[in-house]
Amino acid sequence: SAVISQKPSRDICQRGTSLTIQCQVDSQVTMMFWYRQQPGQSLTLIATANQGSEATYESGFVIDKFPISRPNLTFSTLTVSNMSPEDSSIYLCSVAQGNTEAFFGQGTRLTVV
Amino acid sequence: DAKTTQPPSMDCAEGRAANLPCNHSTISGNEYVYWYRQIHSQGPQYIIHGLKNNETNEMASLIITEDRKSSTLILPHATLRDTAVYYCIANNAGNMLTFGGGTRLMVKP
Repeated sequence: SAVISQKPSRDICQRGTSLTIQCQVDSQVTMMFWYRQQPGQSLTLIATANQGSEATYESGFVIDKFPISRPNLTFSTLTVSNMSPEDSSIYLCSVAQGNTEAFFGQGTRLTVV
Repeated sequence: DAKTTQPPSMDCAEGRAANLPCNHSTISGNEYVYWYRQIHSQGPQYIIHGLKNNETNEMASLIITEDRKSSTLILPHATLRDTAVYYCIANNAGNMLTFGGGTRLMVKP
């Protein structure tokens, strides 16, 4: 199984600012995903992070709000831009390799005040 | 991804088997059944998955009906640490997962 490290684990941010979340994997993986989990809700996929090209966003999520980078097969970042209190959520990184099951990081708990 | 349906909540006595059902009547032939759980404030944890045959690992057993329209996750001896939200997902291997509401399992002493 892959070991996934997310940083920061939690943060409290002022509205209007941006936060970049890092996801580091201990091995090369084909697929990397970013999810959001709003308070009391299930997980919602934000986007698939593609190595060397633009991320693929799900309906309701746009690049200007959630820019994603994936410079190599072990690392990705998600930025939450121009934050508002509605962005307060847990953000989770997930990875999958080939036909294996997906693994998740421990998440970044974001509070926007 | 095929839609799955799970009961929103279940209780189980500590030490007893927990049987968590899942309906996935529209599952396609190449979609696996995956089970994950999320303990409070943690990332989802992979439990088990299967395609057609029943599967067992150190955490749980997965029973899939012959028509593949439903499955049951079995925790053979539930402990208090098994209290979590359990998600059943029908998906192609290696793809992003679509999470439903899951089942909130409460293991009681």
